[in-house]
Amino acid sequence: GNSVTQMEGPVTLSEEAFLTINCTYTATGYPSLFWYVQYPGEGLQLLLKATKADDKGSNKGFEATYRKETTSFHLEKGSVQVSDSAVYFCALSVHNAGNMLTFGGGTRLMVKP
Amino acid sequence: GAVVSQHPSWVICKSGTSVKIECRSLDFQATTMFWYRQFPKQSLMLMATSNEGSKATYEQGVEKDKFLINHASLTLSTLTVTSAHPEDSSFYICSAITGVNQPQHFGDGTRLSIL
Repeated sequence: GNSVTQMEGPVTLSEEAFLTINCTYTATGYPSLFWYVQYPGEGLQLLLKATKADDKGSNKGFEATYRKETTSFHLEKGSVQVSDSAVYFCALSVHNAGNMLTFGGGTRLMVKP
Repeated sequence: GAVVSQHPSWVICKSGTSVKIECRSLDFQATTMFWYRQFPKQSLMLMATSNEGSKATYEQGVEKDKFLINHASLTLSTLTVTSAHPEDSSFYICSAITGVNQPQHFGDGTRLSIL
């Protein structure tokens, strides 16, 4: 089956620190990969995505590269801000599988001023 | 674009009450909508997939008579929690897609608290 594993949180960083949140996956087909962000009390927002190997998704200073050889899609940001504090979910969707998303467990990021 | 609105955002009601949650796609027609449940500090659990004009497909372990889903139009799906009890208290989130193999766009969620 399909599964997503991401590092457990919380991850606590000081403002302007470098961020990495690891995500690895297993999939029965050829997946598209996503990072979603959830701010407190809100739904999920699509942060970035990549649909094929070696694609790099980027948005708001965050980026992640689709690594087929290591089945990974690690999220990175060079300099985090307090406003980046949220829960981040890695997810995959296999083409022609009804658009169903398989989520990782989520990683809570706390950025201190 | 691709805005999904969910209403209400928070509801508190007595045990035994039925509660309806609406999910609307505001600026697109949603071929499919999804309903999720999220417990505190946990990931999202898919409850059901809803296609306009047809019966919802429920995930294993989700009671279809407890969680009634209606998808009457391409812009509206509703989830009704029937005879809600405290164990139904949770954060319910819907999402919608614009087409096959397109990303899901999420509503802001509904926090349901049953007293």
